[in-house]
Amino acid sequence: GQQVMQIPQYQHVQEGEDFTTYCNSSTTLSNIQWYKQRPGGHPVFLIQLVKSGEVKKQKRLTFQFGEAKKNSSLHITATQTTDVGTYFCAGGTQGGSEKLVFGKGTKLTVNP
Amino acid sequence: EAGVVQSPRYKIIEKKQPVAFWCNPISGHNTLYWYLQNLGQGPELLIRYENEEAVDDSQLPKDRFSAERLKGVDSTLKIQPAELGDSAVYLCASSPTGISTDTQYFGPGTRLTVL
Repeated sequence: GQQVMQIPQYQHVQEGEDFTTYCNSSTTLSNIQWYKQRPGGHPVFLIQLVKSGEVKKQKRLTFQFGEAKKNSSLHITATQTTDVGTYFCAGGTQGGSEKLVFGKGTKLTVNP
Repeated sequence: EAGVVQSPRYKIIEKKQPVAFWCNPISGHNTLYWYLQNLGQGPELLIRYENEEAVDDSQLPKDRFSAERLKGVDSTLKIQPAELGDSAVYLCASSPTGISTDTQYFGPGTRLTVL
């Protein structure tokens, strides 16, 4: 079945450093979503990418969808302590079985 | 707009006991999901409902887990009997429709501890 892999599993940075997490799917995706889960919280939707090669920005966050629609990345510029949490990508498939498959997430900790 | 409501937030039971979790999705959302989240892992789908119909329950361990969504609104997930390995967070989510491009809105989850 469809698998979504994320690396790294953990990332520890100093405040102000950049951070990137990568997401790879075993199959071509129709879309990819990114969620953030704060410690003790629940996943909250950040953004969705649909088009091949798409790039979207939210303030210091940059999201990319690969040309082949099998990989994606989330890059945070100049991390802040408020960025702490686990970032999940979720790959979507369409046509027959509509579902999102979540990766295992990248846990980000930020040292002030 | 009220979010997804789940109860209880925490539950501690002894193994072999039954347990039930309740979820009230966002008003108007036809699709309801139950996910299992183990520590350090991503959400794993247990079951997905479109209105009152379970359209994907392939990952639900049917020997001990059951779910229902009567009237296509609230849902209950039950485990009977619970095992030690069932300790996890059970997340409920809802979305307007069942397509993969929908945003999923998660509830706060129920943290289950089986002793």
